[in-house]
Amino acid sequence: DAGVIQSPRHEVTEMGQEVTLRCKPISGHNSLFWYRQTMMRGLELLIYFNNNVPIDDSGMPEDRFSAKMPNASFSTLKIQPSEPRDSAVYFCASSKGQGYNSPLHFGNGTRLTVT
Amino acid sequence: GDSVTQMEGPVTLSEEAFLTINCTYTATGYPSLFWYVQYPGEGLQLLLKATKADDKGSNKGFEATYRKETTSFHLEKGSVQVSDSAVYFCALKNSGYALNFGKGTSLLVTP
Repeated sequence: DAGVIQSPRHEVTEMGQEVTLRCKPISGHNSLFWYRQTMMRGLELLIYFNNNVPIDDSGMPEDRFSAKMPNASFSTLKIQPSEPRDSAVYFCASSKGQGYNSPLHFGNGTRLTVT
Repeated sequence: GDSVTQMEGPVTLSEEAFLTINCTYTATGYPSLFWYVQYPGEGLQLLLKATKADDKGSNKGFEATYRKETTSFHLEKGSVQVSDSAVYFCALKNSGYALNFGKGTSLLVTP
């Protein structure tokens, strides 16, 4: 079990640039989540996919954020244009199913710094 | 809506001390409750869970009991180690897919 794989681990970019974060969920998991972690707000759910379909994107902060899941083994979170307030750690997590016995498996996150 | 409240950290303890991290929740119905742990530079990992009232979750010496009467799920460990230094998150899942996380409590264990 390779775990959830995220890339890059660190991203430093200038305001206004496009940023793409990548995630490979655990094979066989059909639920995928993108979270953002900051000191001020803690962990926030940005978007949830089930069977590659976006189910809930109500946590996406604004139109600058978009997420895709073209297949069961890959998802991206894009920020365009990026702003300093987007600086945070972004986590991808996956699970098999949605029930109480379906724990979330998190990747190691991408630390984004926007200057 | 549903929410989780954790005690604020950081919590600093000496090795072999007793640990309690308080967690209370607000939710309709009968949520499942979880503790996740985040080691430096890593993602969150499930530590333990309880799915119904009076259930006790346990793992790696940590325990938490689902108390519906007090809407609490406090995390305890009898003797902490330096390797337990991490951030601990209480979370709940009600009907549906979303986990509601608390803000996290940082624990530092000194030798």
